[in-house]
Amino acid sequence: KAGVTQTPRYLIKTRGQQVTLSCSPISGHRSVSWYQQTPGQGLQFLFEYFSETQRNKGNFPGRFSGRQFSNSRSEMNVSTLELGDSALYLCASSLEGAPLSPLHFGNGTRLTVT
Amino acid sequence: AQTVTQSQPEMSVQEAETVTLSCTYDTSESDYYLFWYKQPPSRQMILVIRQEAYKQQNATENRFSVNFQKAAKSFSLKISDSQLGDAAMYFCAQLEETSGSRLTFGEGTQLTVNP
Repeated sequence: KAGVTQTPRYLIKTRGQQVTLSCSPISGHRSVSWYQQTPGQGLQFLFEYFSETQRNKGNFPGRFSGRQFSNSRSEMNVSTLELGDSALYLCASSLEGAPLSPLHFGNGTRLTVT
Repeated sequence: AQTVTQSQPEMSVQEAETVTLSCTYDTSESDYYLFWYKQPPSRQMILVIRQEAYKQQNATENRFSVNFQKAAKSFSLKISDSQLGDAAMYFCAQLEETSGSRLTFGEGTQLTVNP
């Protein structure tokens, strides 16, 4: 089975722009969650989607949003980019969501905001 | 609020030796799960081992084992017979039963394996 695929791997954007990141889960997985990883704040949970519905949300401003499609693929969007949004964004998929099923992570998208 | 603390930013071990990575956590919940993840330079987070809080027996996966001390809220990872491929950033993480996939991670420990 193919693993979790995140595209693009690298992205460079300018302050004030918006960006969309994509995550294709493992086939059959219905849960997709997103994490932000920065040197200062570490790994922080953004949100989780399950069967197209947001199931959990972390403590991030409304500029961070996401969605999940009927094929379980997920996108996250960040509007009005700030320098502090520079980070590695990790996506994880799971059959039923944790803790029932283990999380499988992708290789992440490295976003740089200049 | 949950917190996870890893007090060792860096650790090193000789190949074939044993190393223990420390982790403490805090939660008011009685039902929760603990994990160790490994993040090599490829950036992908890989699950190393998982422990359910209600299980008294320490989890073991081949060369990896944990020492789960529930009363002390301590969850250390022991790597036996260390291999060069074990070199990575290791993260301790906690999940509460009702949190879905919302993991709380520690700061990480960078493990170097010397040949």
